[in-house]
Amino acid sequence: QKEVEQDPGPLSVPEGAIVSLNCTYSNSAFQYFMWYRQYSRKGPELLMYTYSSGNKEDGRFTAQVDKSSKYISLFIRDSQPSDSATYLCAIGSMNYGGSQGNLIFGKGTKLSVKP
Amino acid sequence: GAGVSQTPSNKVTEKGKYVELRCDPISGHTALYWYRQSLGQGPEFLIYFQGTGAADDSGLPNDRFFAVRPEGSVSTLKIQRTERGDSAVYLCASSLSGSRETQYFGPGTRLLVL
Repeated sequence: QKEVEQDPGPLSVPEGAIVSLNCTYSNSAFQYFMWYRQYSRKGPELLMYTYSSGNKEDGRFTAQVDKSSKYISLFIRDSQPSDSATYLCAIGSMNYGGSQGNLIFGKGTKLSVKP
Repeated sequence: GAGVSQTPSNKVTEKGKYVELRCDPISGHTALYWYRQSLGQGPEFLIYFQGTGAADDSGLPNDRFFAVRPEGSVSTLKIQRTERGDSAVYLCASSLSGSRETQYFGPGTRLLVL
């Protein structure tokens, strides 16, 4: 079992739809959870960052973490064509494998929002 | 201010050749990370620097890969005797101090080994 599992899609939705993106992880030692957005031929850019279980909202984006189920989600409300990108979940731990801070990424879900 | 920059943006080389990839982190960031992203995959960790020293190089796939950061700023990823399987996007990220700090990524270097 991979440490982080993410459905690669692709996912295609109409403009204005609510998008739900998900990842599962296997190691309960993971302590912080991120969502990155990556446009084609660009580096990942951070969207959301959370430490704890529960919801965190930022504009049209909501990150949800359920540590008991080892499940994280990103919701995008009122999706726009400019949201078309690959969304990567990333998980980290202070002391995982002796390192300090390297991230473990999911495969990424490719999202397309059609006008 | 300036973000993380990486040069070259694209590199085409022949199997067996040596390549160097450069990363300029955000000024003042002490932590620097290298990741490799293959087509259709998420970034995979290679090596982490805290200052000048490699704090964790557990992600380097084999001894053909080496990275340095001699003055605690710019870093160079070096790949010897390149193989076709090394073709990927090599991403660099930096953060203020490591551990839980946000990592800011550069645009990557696209390496193609023919």
